[in-house]
Amino acid sequence: AQKVTQAQTEISVVEKEDVTLDCVYETRDTTYYLFWYKQPPSGELVFLIRRNSFDEQNEISGRYSWNFQKSTSSFNFTITASQVVDSAVYFCALSGMNSGYSTLTFGKGTMLLVSP
Amino acid sequence: EAGVVQSPRYKIIEKKQPVAFWCNPISGHNTLYWYRQNLGQGPELLIRYENEEAVDDSQLPKDRFSAERLKGVDSTLKIQPAELGDSAVYLCASSARDRGSYEQYFGPGTRLTVT
Repeated sequence: AQKVTQAQTEISVVEKEDVTLDCVYETRDTTYYLFWYKQPPSGELVFLIRRNSFDEQNEISGRYSWNFQKSTSSFNFTITASQVVDSAVYFCALSGMNSGYSTLTFGKGTMLLVSP
Repeated sequence: EAGVVQSPRYKIIEKKQPVAFWCNPISGHNTLYWYRQNLGQGPELLIRYENEEAVDDSQLPKDRFSAERLKGVDSTLKIQPAELGDSAVYLCASSARDRGSYEQYFGPGTRLTVT
């Protein structure tokens, strides 16, 4: 069975602060993919990143960065210099090899509120 | 490139009434998913199509839910009759799994309210 835990239900920051969203996962698959999605108030889930379990290199994309640590089963997401437009619910998700990478298991999401 | 299209965006019905949701995936994506998202939760898979074949419908409540994907393109999800507990956002997603692309792209969803 797969499980994704996002322990932070809601985070509030002031614009320009850095913020880290935590994601811890459980899986018996030896190979898997991890994802982050953003869900703004409009409701559409927006794909942000996919990470293969063999690739533990950290990734940076503009103000976004991701820290994948297999030893602690974590895939954390950091937003640098947050902006009001970053306000959304962020979901971490997992897809394992045994399902042919067909099934996404989502966490419950972290609501990020960025105030001016 | 157009994204996943869903309609309607909102639907309010009385319990025991039927309701249908429509989805048009990204052009060329062979895999189509229907998810249900309850308030404060992540999406949960209802059914997955590979082309026109439903290959995973284990989480679909088959007594009242049905789905089809004729010609392997757009899809319809139906509930008949609706119950109060069906109030949720119904999300459609697509991916190009046949090309080894595992990220799923989601539509805006249909927010269903059953009164």
